[in-house]
Amino acid sequence: DQQVKQNSPSLSVQEGRISILNCDYTNSMFDYFLWYKKYPAEGPTFLISISSIKDKNEDGRFTVFLNKSAKHLSLHIVPSQPGDSAVYFCAASEGNTPLVFGKGTRLSVIA
Amino acid sequence: DAGVIQSPRHEVTEMGQEVTLRCKPISGHDYLFWYRQTMMRGLELLIYFNNNVPIDDSGMPEDRFSAKMPNASFSTLKIQPSEPRDSAVYFCASSLIGEGRETQYFGPGTRLLVL
Repeated sequence: DQQVKQNSPSLSVQEGRISILNCDYTNSMFDYFLWYKKYPAEGPTFLISISSIKDKNEDGRFTVFLNKSAKHLSLHIVPSQPGDSAVYFCAASEGNTPLVFGKGTRLSVIA
Repeated sequence: DAGVIQSPRHEVTEMGQEVTLRCKPISGHDYLFWYRQTMMRGLELLIYFNNNVPIDDSGMPEDRFSAKMPNASFSTLKIQPSEPRDSAVYFCASSLIGEGRETQYFGPGTRLLVL
């Protein structure tokens, strides 16, 4: 049973527009959430995180929103750039337990 | 720092053969993780170590899989005997709990193909 779900396997967005990647989770005890970005032939790299005590965290073009009541988080990229084309993984953890990852969403930013 | 180093980057082997994947974590990191990535299951945690001690191996799919961490700078993941369904990308990651909540640094992965 997947505790972290990314229901959209892929997403295409035009350059300059907003990309919104979604993630749902089932474990209400998760208290830390992260997004990782993965290019082909490379390992995932950390992008942005948010603690459950916040509902928004922003870092440049990237913003993560957390809706605890809906058990939902999203990653907004604005404006989207061709270099943002990658697979994005959502991950969550409870206390000091290891991260649980979603299956990933492949983002394609079209010039 | 060179980051997490994995070898080999690619491995092609025949069913029944032993496969050994290697990982050198970032110096000073106290956690090491082994993951497997497939299209169907995404990123699955296989096993993780803290200070060279295996903490949780519940993700290891079968007894054919084993992992060791003889010292702080080296870990292996072994599959014996290998089967075609083991074909996947295997990632090693390390982290340092002192940096705050879990930010794992991943290696480039080993792409395994079992024929």
